Amino acid sequence: SQQGEEDPQALSIQEGENATMNCSYKTSINNLQWYRQNSGRGLVHLILIRSNEREKHSGRLRVTLDTSKKSSSLLITASRAADTASYFCATNTGTASKLTFGTGTRLQVTL
Amino acid sequence: GAGVSQSPSNKVTEKGKDVELRCDPISGHTALYWYRQSLGQGLEFLIYFQGNSAPDKSGLPSDRFSAERTGGSVSTLTIQRTQQEDSAVYLCASGTPNTGELFFGEGSRLTVL
Repeated sequence: SQQGEEDPQALSIQEGENATMNCSYKTSINNLQWYRQNSGRGLVHLILIRSNEREKHSGRLRVTLDTSKKSSSLLITASRAADTASYFCATNTGTASKLTFGTGTRLQVTL
Repeated sequence: GAGVSQSPSNKVTEKGKDVELRCDPISGHTALYWYRQSLGQGLEFLIYFQGNSAPDKSGLPSDRFSAERTGGSVSTLTIQRTQQEDSAVYLCASGTPNTGELFFGEGSRLTVL
């Protein structure tokens, strides 16, 4: 079963706009991670936020975590065509435990 | 090697045949995962190794699926008597438990005719 559910399933924006993707999960977590997947490729790790953190930044990425609502959001600012990809959240419930992925958001950035 | 290596990158087989998929993780990574991804779908967890042992194999869909890891390094995922519903991309990832971050291979695309 999926631990994380992303919303929306698909998002289409124009270059320069911001993109926000949300992830909800069901059980308590140790950390939450966001990954990116270009079509036909493997996944690339973007950012990890621990359960005791509320916000984290990395370049044009901003991740928030609300453990009371069991949700996280990924904001990509000033989007570029090269940001077109699928984005997945993944949750880890403890050290040496499996990483469970959500269903993903397909982001399309048009010129 | 520099990254996680998977082979073969593509495999076409006939229904009923056995297939072996190989994963070569990043050197020093003790954790190794296998996931399955069907077209346009999310990642389905199959099995997790810590060293050579598999503390969580709850995601293996049936007894036709098995995996092993030897020497704390290379892992093979074996699918016996393949069925058409086994067609998917099989992704391997490795990491260290302390960091939590996983590094993925490019996947092995399996097509069962």
